[in-house]
Amino acid sequence: DTGVSQDPRHKITKRGQNVTFRCDPISEHNRLYWYRQTLGQGPEFLTYFQNEAQLEKSRLLSDRFSAERPKGSFSTLEIQRTEQGDSAMYLCASSPQGSTEAFFGQGTRLTVV
Amino acid sequence: AQTVTQSQPEMSVQEAETVTLSCTYDTSENNYYLFWYKQPPSRQMILVIRQEAYKQQNATENRFSVNFQKAAKSFSLKISDSQLGDTAMYFCAFMKRYSNAGNMLTFGGGTRLMVKP
Repeated sequence: DTGVSQDPRHKITKRGQNVTFRCDPISEHNRLYWYRQTLGQGPEFLTYFQNEAQLEKSRLLSDRFSAERPKGSFSTLEIQRTEQGDSAMYLCASSPQGSTEAFFGQGTRLTVV
Repeated sequence: AQTVTQSQPEMSVQEAETVTLSCTYDTSENNYYLFWYKQPPSRQMILVIRQEAYKQQNATENRFSVNFQKAAKSFSLKISDSQLGDTAMYFCAFMKRYSNAGNMLTFGGGTRLMVKP
């Protein structure tokens, strides 16, 4: 197992375009999290899945942000109508049931121009 | 809501020396965990050490130890015998023990640590 995998690693997009990021968690981990990290700051929680159920989504930054985890395995985070303020690192993390440790991916760095 | 504050944006230490990173937090919760995570340059974040709030004994992991002061809401990280590989961003993080958001972490702003040869 190679850990949490995120794709792409970097994304440059024009303002107004839609973007989608993918996260593949560690295979036996049923919990999956998305965070956003802006330059020089700590990660900020966005949303949480337990298996395929999205149990917490109130922290998504706006209705332009949405996430899915259709089969309880990989997850996607979509940002519609991107804005320059969306430029950040988007981190995915997973953890197994009963553990407090989060395993992070390397992130997707989004630049909106 | 919880807040986590790291008051030292940057620190440096000579190799083999000891350094302490500070963290304070604010919460009305009684059951929680505190963590230090390390984010090396261009690499993923990894867990350094964990402390359960109900345990008075400070956690230790090899060269890493914490000073947990629950009443003061303080949680500092001590790195002994610093190594070049310790160069990284260090984040203090809070987790409520029972949450609808699973193991949601609230992070501080981070401390950039540079270990100098």
